[in-house]
Amino acid sequence: EAQVTQNPRYLITVTGKKLTVTCSQNMNHEYMSWYRQDPGLGLRQIYYSMNVEVTDKGDVPEGYKVSRKEKRNFPLILESPSPNQTSLYFCASSLEGSGGSPQHFGDGTRLSIL
Amino acid sequence: GENVEQHPSTLSVQEGDSAVIKCTYSDSASNYFPWYKQELGKRPQLIIDIRSNVGEKKDQRIAVTLNKTAKHFSLHITETQPEDSAVYFCAARLPGAQKLVFGQGTRLTINP
Repeated sequence: EAQVTQNPRYLITVTGKKLTVTCSQNMNHEYMSWYRQDPGLGLRQIYYSMNVEVTDKGDVPEGYKVSRKEKRNFPLILESPSPNQTSLYFCASSLEGSGGSPQHFGDGTRLSIL
Repeated sequence: GENVEQHPSTLSVQEGDSAVIKCTYSDSASNYFPWYKQELGKRPQLIIDIRSNVGEKKDQRIAVTLNKTAKHFSLHITETQPEDSAVYFCAARLPGAQKLVFGQGTRLTINP
């Protein structure tokens, strides 16, 4: 089954404790992206990756890091989480980034930073 | 950069009636416009999309229209059913750009 898998689904942690949210897709998609979803603000892009070793900032990259060492994986790293990063996070992938191809979303990760 | 405004933020309609959600975009060069449906606690899922060389696209009870001159596109749902209740997001993409810009979302409630 074609899917985007995120882990963990839920996490409560404390300020300053480094955490990683993993994302993996099994569709051989080139493009992967991370979004955060906050009430009234819709989905805002954090980082994206056009292919292996190619990443770039989205609209709200501050406080986050990513890496793309393999095509299928695109982890989101919070080196020193803060309460304003409490949010619902989605990873997405698509066949290619430009030209317009549908994005497939993971099930989301709800992070609470105390 | 591109900016997408979505209206209304909430919409309540009687079952069987039609629902219309409208989005406006700022950059006339945008050429891809998807709509996503997000049920409570679930991930966004693509329901329909349209490219700038097409004015209208239909899929059963769902249709999207695009007015490039006015820079707006709309989602039309006919014969609404309770399972249509969800949050709907529009988005736009500039050619060659590596991201979708999303609207703020519309919470649609279908009243039985």
